[in-house]
Amino acid sequence: GQNIDQPTEMTATEGAIVQINCTYQTSGFNGLFWYQQHAGEAPTFLSYNVLDGLEEKGRFSSFLSRSKGYSYLLLKELQMKDSASYLCAVRDRGGATNKLIFGTGTLLAVQP
Amino acid sequence: DSGVTQTPKHLITATGQRVTLRCSPRSGDLSVYWYQQSLDQGLQFLIQYYNGEERAKGNILERFSAQQFPDLHSELNLSSLELGDSALYFCASSPGGSSTDTQYFGPGTRLTVL
Repeated sequence: GQNIDQPTEMTATEGAIVQINCTYQTSGFNGLFWYQQHAGEAPTFLSYNVLDGLEEKGRFSSFLSRSKGYSYLLLKELQMKDSASYLCAVRDRGGATNKLIFGTGTLLAVQP
Repeated sequence: DSGVTQTPKHLITATGQRVTLRCSPRSGDLSVYWYQQSLDQGLQFLIQYYNGEERAKGNILERFSAQQFPDLHSELNLSSLELGDSALYFCASSPGGSSTDTQYFGPGTRLTVL
């Protein structure tokens, strides 16, 4: 079956660092994505990992361990505007499809 | 702004009715994907089209159908609407059908069924 787990909610302080974890069990794997979604808005692409290791992109970094079925998103120097839902998504490996399987998202609240 | 456009932004209708949601992909993108996001649920993949042909199907109800036209825009048709169909419907696009493509999402259509 397909299962992607993320914490439902997290709270952090402005200027701090927060790590959002994601574990997955899927029938196929062809990469893991992180998207940011503000309430009622479109998900916006943050990062992509297909090989094990850390990908860094400014204040955001994402890590993947395929053997453990585990990823995390690291947000540094938190800003109030980072308050949003963070979605972990696994790309299914199935023929020519490019469909994404999403977790339910982690709602991050950044406090002053 | 991702470059993906969706219309309408909001849609309010009654149970039993039929609606059509429209999506225009980013310039040059050949693949279009439809997702449903209900309250307290994650994004659920519905269907993918690539250059006019259906490429993959998710948990799409038989009451729902989609197509992609020669100009690459896509429409999602929802019929015999039920209260539970109320949700945000997102369209995404990517350059090809390749499994290495990143999907970029449109602003969504919020459907309310009364």
